[in-house]
Amino acid sequence: AQSVTQLDSHVSVSEGTPVLLRCNYSSSYSPSLFWYVQHPNKGLQLLLKYTSAATLVKGINGFEAEFKKSETSFHLTKPSAHMSDAAEYFCVVGAMEYGNKLVFGAGTILRVKS
Amino acid sequence: DTAVSQTPKYLVTQMGNDKSIKCEQNLGHDTMYWYKQDSKKFLKIMFSYNNKELIINETVPNRFSPKSPDKAHLNLHINSLELGDSAVYFCASSPYGGQITEAFFGQGTRLTVV
Repeated sequence: AQSVTQLDSHVSVSEGTPVLLRCNYSSSYSPSLFWYVQHPNKGLQLLLKYTSAATLVKGINGFEAEFKKSETSFHLTKPSAHMSDAAEYFCVVGAMEYGNKLVFGAGTILRVKS
Repeated sequence: DTAVSQTPKYLVTQMGNDKSIKCEQNLGHDTMYWYKQDSKKFLKIMFSYNNKELIINETVPNRFSPKSPDKAHLNLHINSLELGDSAVYFCASSPYGGQITEAFFGQGTRLTVV
């Protein structure tokens, strides 16, 4: 079974408009959830994390994500896109049934048009 | 002051050769990982070490051998390189071996086998 599903492989938005990157996960336990960003030819940077505290998580660069247990979702949002947000975004889950490791989604490429 | 550093950043080599990638973290973390990112940008864990002990060994060919001389270092040695080994290899570390927390990634090593 797929551990984490990013529903869109590509998302294109105009600069200044909202961003929504969707992620659903599967876990029988309370998972830890993360979003990472990878700029072209760069490493992975942690944007934000959920580890069973507040369900609305604020991250760096104005990004937020909301943990919705009933929907098994952890969508990433930003009110206003900036050109520098263009990158690939990975939703990541860590859960007991997956052992001591992080499982990555397939990634969503965000394109920001001027 | 780089937290997780890998060398080299780029590695081009011929089929059949043996090569090593080095990784060091100065975060004082107990757990270190190797991930492989394929040409479709999919990230998959290869190995995980906790305090120099191997705790995760995914279905990786035994041509790949990790070595952890101390908890701050995790090197990856690859024997008899094949074309399919071409990928970006990321080293990462995380603070707690028994809990699922975020991982901090190096900049990656782009391996090209020709």
